[in-house]
Amino acid sequence: DIQLTQSPSSLSASVGDRVTITCQASQDINNYLNWFQQKPGKAPRLLIYDASHSETGVPSRFSGSGSGTYFTFTISSLKPEDIATYYCHQYYNVPRTFGQGTKVEIK
Amino acid sequence: EEQLVESGGGLVEPGGSLKLSCAGSGFTFANAWMTWVRQAPGKGLEWVGRIKSLASGGTVDYAVPVKGRFTISRDDPRKMFFLQMSGLTTEDTAVYYCINRWGSWGQGTLVTVSS
Repeated sequence: DIQLTQSPSSLSASVGDRVTITCQASQDINNYLNWFQQKPGKAPRLLIYDASHSETGVPSRFSGSGSGTYFTFTISSLKPEDIATYYCHQYYNVPRTFGQGTKVEIK
Repeated sequence: EEQLVESGGGLVEPGGSLKLSCAGSGFTFANAWMTWVRQAPGKGLEWVGRIKSLASGGTVDYAVPVKGRFTISRDDPRKMFFLQMSGLTTEDTAVYYCINRWGSWGQGTLVTVSS
């Protein structure tokens, strides 16, 4: 199984800060990586697919990059409504796997 | 508008069985590869399994923790997708989501395994 290691597991940042989350895959997954946002009590929301493509309707402050085994997710200017847990997810092969999540809080 | 509605969750005793259903609308169900993902209380997301469209062979893949206990199936004329769960343990307690494509999730249904 492909392991996805997300870092950090949690972070606290101020409104307007740039926030970066990393996701390292245990083997090459090309660009078969999604990023999800999940707010409490809600289903996850797809933000980024194919590592760097924004899903329709996603604000431009969210972006993704990377390929192979190393990926990053960035919020360019943190807003209060971005408080959530973020997950990376690989769909290179089965079983599909998720990172352990990064909880983003406001300082 | 694409919509997925899960049903069938509830409280079941360890060792018991439960069948979850997912009704799809707003998309061509027969072409969809359908997936189940679960989330234990306070924990992360866990892929449960997936069934391909019949045109793609209808192959089913399962996560190791559920293989041999869970069965995924589909009924394309009814636009329904199912997860039959048996031999349930407390480790299976979770919200179960059905997914059409990664941008389209149901609201989830809670399964609680407890005596």
